[in-house]
Amino acid sequence: KAGVTQTPRYLIKTRGQQVTLSCSPISGHRSVSWYQQTPGQGLQFLFEYFSETQRNKGNFPGRFSGRQFSNSRSEMNVSTLELGDSALYLCASSFDPNTGELFFGEGSRLTVL
Amino acid sequence: DQQVKQNSPSLSVQEGRISILNCDYTNSMFDYFLWYKKYPAEGPTFLISISSIKDKNEDGRFTVFLNKSAKHLSLHIVPSQPGDSAVYFCAASARNAGGTSYGKLTFGQGTILTVHP
Repeated sequence: KAGVTQTPRYLIKTRGQQVTLSCSPISGHRSVSWYQQTPGQGLQFLFEYFSETQRNKGNFPGRFSGRQFSNSRSEMNVSTLELGDSALYLCASSFDPNTGELFFGEGSRLTVL
Repeated sequence: DQQVKQNSPSLSVQEGRISILNCDYTNSMFDYFLWYKKYPAEGPTFLISISSIKDKNEDGRFTVFLNKSAKHLSLHIVPSQPGDSAVYFCAASARNAGGTSYGKLTFGQGTILTVHP
């Protein structure tokens, strides 16, 4: 069974640009969550999608947005990039949201120059 | 405001001995706790979890203990193996009345465990 797949794995952008990251969940998983990992703040929750609907959102500015497609694949977008957006962005999928057991991808490493 | 804290950035133990990783939380609404393990260049991997209605959960070499009154949980690894060397994250969720956290986990900062042969 394939795991959670995230693309691209690495990318470099400059301030002011925007970026789109993609996530393919494990087959059969309908819940997709996104997390930002930085050395200073650790792993922080961005948002969660289920059946194309955003059900939960963390404390991030509106520049961070996401969506989910009918096949459960998800994208997140960050507009007007800032230096502080440099981070590892992790996507996680879940079959049973009741357990809290999330299956994480390897992440997309974003560097903003 | 860090609601989940892992006060030990690192822990070093000898192979075969016990590893004890600690985690404290402040939010009384948390009712489900998980431990994740992370190797470099990989995403976190679920290890073990415990509901707030229990005080202990075992899975092979891994045992998680929960002390709700102290808002403290710990992960015991016995015996420790060199392959256990990784970053361990404690995480917590506050599930709503329907029993789901909607994907939101609050993570600690992680503890780097090194198991020496």
